[in-house]
Amino acid sequence: GAVVSQHPSWVICKSGTSVKIECRSLDFQATTMFWYRQFPKQSLMLMATSNEGSKATYEQGVEKDKFLINHASLTLSTLTVTSAHPEDSSFYICSASRDRGDTEAFFGQGTRLTVV
Amino acid sequence: AQKITQTQPGMFVQEKEAVTLDCTYDTSDPSYGLFWYKQPSSGEMIFLIYQGSYDQQNATEGRYSLNFQKARKSANLVISASQLGDSAMYFCAMREVGTGGFKTIFGAGTRLFVKA
Repeated sequence: GAVVSQHPSWVICKSGTSVKIECRSLDFQATTMFWYRQFPKQSLMLMATSNEGSKATYEQGVEKDKFLINHASLTLSTLTVTSAHPEDSSFYICSASRDRGDTEAFFGQGTRLTVV
Repeated sequence: AQKITQTQPGMFVQEKEAVTLDCTYDTSDPSYGLFWYKQPSSGEMIFLIYQGSYDQQNATEGRYSLNFQKARKSANLVISASQLGDSAMYFCAMREVGTGGFKTIFGAGTRLFVKA
């Protein structure tokens, strides 16, 4: 199957700082990438959908100024958590698709963010 | 309103027996895809099986089969001959077309425990 690489796999940062998480499709062009957030023992909550070269579409309740998403190329999308606070601590996971006909969504390994 | 419903927070199964994990969905899109993913404690999302809304046959992948009942809007996962390594969180997901394109949303998940 296709490979999606997410980096870093874990990060600890201080309150007030910003953290950037990268999601790369290694062997295919991802026209669409998705960012999810997962709290312990809970489901994946879709935060936003990003399409290459256009603005991300955020789900209701997700602060777009807080979670900046950039999809600059067909193989890279980044999520920047700005001015992080302890409540932003979570597991963030990206997913990449070639098109809506994909019979599998390809996931990165996830990033565990801890804000202290 | 819940789009993907998994009503079993936890399930127990004896090793080597079969188990069914329930999933119902709600969509008005005639073209959609249904997925099942396994998430072990490491956090990675492991793709198991896919069913397209127009597929006539139920999908099967090794020990996994999807019991697709379109009229009832259900897509239950059947795991045959359970193994200890099957103990994990299982998520049902649906891909549908939204205002920003297509997106995949997840159910709350079912934690499966396989007993020796």
